[in-house]
Amino acid sequence: QQKVQQSPESLSVPEGGMASLNCTSSDRNFQYFWWYRQHSGEGPKALMSIFSDGDKKEGRFTAHLNKASLHVSLHIRDSQPSDSALYFCAASPSSGSWQLIFGSGTQLTVMP
Amino acid sequence: EAAVTQSPRNKVAVTGGKVTLSCNQTNNHNNMYWYRQDTGHGLRLIHYSYGAGSTEKGDIPDGYKASRPSQENFSLILELATPSQTSVYFCASGDGWGANTGQLYFGEGSKLTVL
Repeated sequence: QQKVQQSPESLSVPEGGMASLNCTSSDRNFQYFWWYRQHSGEGPKALMSIFSDGDKKEGRFTAHLNKASLHVSLHIRDSQPSDSALYFCAASPSSGSWQLIFGSGTQLTVMP
Repeated sequence: EAAVTQSPRNKVAVTGGKVTLSCNQTNNHNNMYWYRQDTGHGLRLIHYSYGAGSTEKGDIPDGYKASRPSQENFSLILELATPSQTSVYFCASGDGWGANTGQLYFGEGSKLTVL
């Protein structure tokens, strides 16, 4: 079983809509979470991190972490066609750790 | 911005042949990584390095070797390539502590096809 599981595998939303992506860790050692975004033909790029319980907002993107349930989500409001990409959740066990475990990704398509 | 460059970007190899994928970073990061990306599996760690001269096994090291001759360069070596190693390979660097824990900088990827 993968240590970091993402859902859904794919998601389509209309332009201007809200996209919600989910991620759960099955290992309580992994408590530092990142969201990465990968556009087609490119390498993944770090989007935002969340290390504390609650919400973290950066522009149109909001991440939410519940450490008790090891669940993290990413919400994209006012979705744009340029947001269409593969989104990865990644988890690390501790500050400064070399380990970064990726989920299998959610393919987001924003329809104009 | 942090820069990680990979070469070659595309490679076609024959079964049993030797393949070397190269990676160069100008970030002065201590840690470097090689991942492979396959549909349904996300990014899986093959080898990583803490610095020049060090290489460590990741989650799926079988069939791969790595070499870190300098701070800037990290290579992935397939001594006897097999069709199952057909994939897209990504190199990354990082040195995150505290708020930057888990922040990696990726290259553009190397697409390898083994026939």
